[in-house]
Amino acid sequence: DIVMTQSPDSLAVSLGERATINCKSSQSVLYSSNSKNYLAWYQQKPGQPPKLLIYWASTRESGVPDRFSGSGSGTDFTLAISSLQAEDVAVYYCQQYYNTPPTFGQGTKVEIK
Amino acid sequence: QSQLQESGPGLVKPSETLSLTCSVSGGSIRSISYYWVWIRQPPGKGLEWIGTIYYSGSTYCNPSLKSRVTISADMSRDQFSLKLSSVTAADTAIYYCARASPEVGGYFDDWGQGTLVTVSS
Repeated sequence: DIVMTQSPDSLAVSLGERATINCKSSQSVLYSSNSKNYLAWYQQKPGQPPKLLIYWASTRESGVPDRFSGSGSGTDFTLAISSLQAEDVAVYYCQQYYNTPPTFGQGTKVEIK
Repeated sequence: QSQLQESGPGLVKPSETLSLTCSVSGGSIRSISYYWVWIRQPPGKGLEWIGTIYYSGSTYCNPSLKSRVTISADMSRDQFSLKLSSVTAADTAIYYCARASPEVGGYFDDWGQGTLVTVSS
């Protein structure tokens, strides 16, 4: 199985400041034949199911604010929130879908400083 | 966008079989554009993929659970189901059904609200 490791486990950011979450996979999730990274990001608020934010490492899901962006390739990826809003308080997960079983990172909790 | 809703008992006794159904509306589970999955989340912990059912009816389950998991579908009713046998307290979790993109593992773009299943005598 591909192991996904996120860092940090939690972070506190002031409103309006930038938040950055890292995700590292134990093997590359870049598929050479189509040059796509099989990596997604989710946001989960308390009492709610996860919500897809980003897929193909950098493609924003419809309706997701453009302050959310994904970057990276191969084994190292980043989710950035350019200007943290109060409604962004949540746990964020990365997930690889390069092979089965699809696996998730352990989650990163984002709070307001 | 599809709407998914899990249903089933919220309490299961140890060693018994957990049974859940996911009802899909706003789309057909026979569509070749999507796969359908079960994912679980122990309280306060992370996400674990349980298994996928494809539009053909074939399934693939997490090897860590494979011997205990059965996923099936009633295509005519746009429902798919999960059975997990010989449950223990470690199977206590919120169980989600979700829609997956038709990639190898798939990313999950629509989720049910989830149902908490507690394993306890």
